[in-house]
Amino acid sequence: AQSVTQLGSHVSVSEGALVLLRCNYSSSVPPYLFWYVQYPNQGLQLLLKYTTGATLVKGINGFEAEFKKSETSFHLTKPSAHMSDAAEYFCAVSETGGNKLVFGAGTILRVKS
Amino acid sequence: KAGVTQTPRYLIKTRGQQVTLSCSPISGHRSVSWYQQTPGQGLQFLFEYFSETQRNKGNFPGRFSGRQFSNSRSEMNVSTLELGDSALYLCASSSRGGRANEQFFGPGTRLTVL
Repeated sequence: AQSVTQLGSHVSVSEGALVLLRCNYSSSVPPYLFWYVQYPNQGLQLLLKYTTGATLVKGINGFEAEFKKSETSFHLTKPSAHMSDAAEYFCAVSETGGNKLVFGAGTILRVKS
Repeated sequence: KAGVTQTPRYLIKTRGQQVTLSCSPISGHRSVSWYQQTPGQGLQFLFEYFSETQRNKGNFPGRFSGRQFSNSRSEMNVSTLELGDSALYLCASSSRGGRANEQFFGPGTRLTVL
């Protein structure tokens, strides 16, 4: 079975600083990987996804992630944090056959002014 | 194009009751998935329907059931509610069935069981 581990349940950065949210996965098949963001009292919004091809994936709001097969990682980064980035971020892997996502536990990002 | 809508947004029930939640996918989307989100267990997959057929099912008891109608709208039902069923229930729709497809999430239904 596939699984996702997000290191750090809470991450705090200063406005303008680099954002790095860590995600490691376990999968017996080539993984399809996703990062979602959830703002309070809202559903999840897709930031970016990796399926095949280029290992550096660019998403919305200035976020990007790099798929590293050798490290089984898919870390999310943003060069400069903005106050509006404060939210909870989820890494997910898609299981074979259909639209089933396996999510990590989530990382709450706090941005300090 | 309208997003995924879920009704009701908030619901309060007592133990032993049953509840039905509704999800209307984005127009043209044929796949609807349901997830339960709790502080303790995080986001967990309940089931997926594609063209009115259940295609995937998570590890939940039989009290949790769902269905999909010909217009792709979906309902999930929880019978004999327990305190532990209190959660945010999220519905997601996708245009196709492949695992590379983006899923679009609704705002969720927050269920409180007293």
